[in-house]
Amino acid sequence: DTAVSQTPKYLVTQMGNDKSIKCEQNLGHDTMYWYKQDSKKFLKIMFSYNNKELIINETVPNRFSPKSPDKAHLNLHINSLELGDSAVYFCASSRLDGDEQFFGPGTRLTVL
Amino acid sequence: GQQVMQIPQYQHVQEGEDFTTYCNSSTTLSNIQWYKQRPGGHPVFLIQLVKSGEVKKQKRLTFQFGEAKKNSSLHITATQTTDVGTYFCTYGQNFVFGPGTRLSVLP
Repeated sequence: DTAVSQTPKYLVTQMGNDKSIKCEQNLGHDTMYWYKQDSKKFLKIMFSYNNKELIINETVPNRFSPKSPDKAHLNLHINSLELGDSAVYFCASSRLDGDEQFFGPGTRLTVL
Repeated sequence: GQQVMQIPQYQHVQEGEDFTTYCNSSTTLSNIQWYKQRPGGHPVFLIQLVKSGEVKKQKRLTFQFGEAKKNSSLHITATQTTDVGTYFCTYGQNFVFGPGTRLSVLP
């Protein structure tokens, strides 16, 4: 069984559209994260979230919003997509803040 | 904010040669973690170091945390083609990843 899963694996869309990426973890972890990896392979934290607190990287545009229906899911919703949003987005989870993180397989988003 | 530097950015080695990547911080770190990302894959946790001067080994991989807890190194002995990928360091609870060292191993 996949520990951290993401859907879709690939997402191609037009500028201005709204899209969501889903993430689920079956590890029973309390904390989940979203990262953006650009073409230069830099990994940047976007959000970390547990059932008590959402921590937002202040550089993330407010077009990006995490939504957590329950502890096992942290979805990423993106409004008004821009060309610069093209990247690979990784979801991850950990038992506690700062612990070893388990990453999902990634979602490659291409904005045309 | 706190920054993590990694050197080198790229490293090409012949299979069987050794490889070392370094992670340096401007401030003292509570801990450091290392991850490996294969081409087209996702980051996979390798190890966490917590204590000053700590050294840990995983088969051909040796990880070290500096005495001042401001730097760390990952050394691979006798590289193999399976070692190809990007090695990232990250620390503590700020989730800041270094820029990574991309390793190529020529057979």
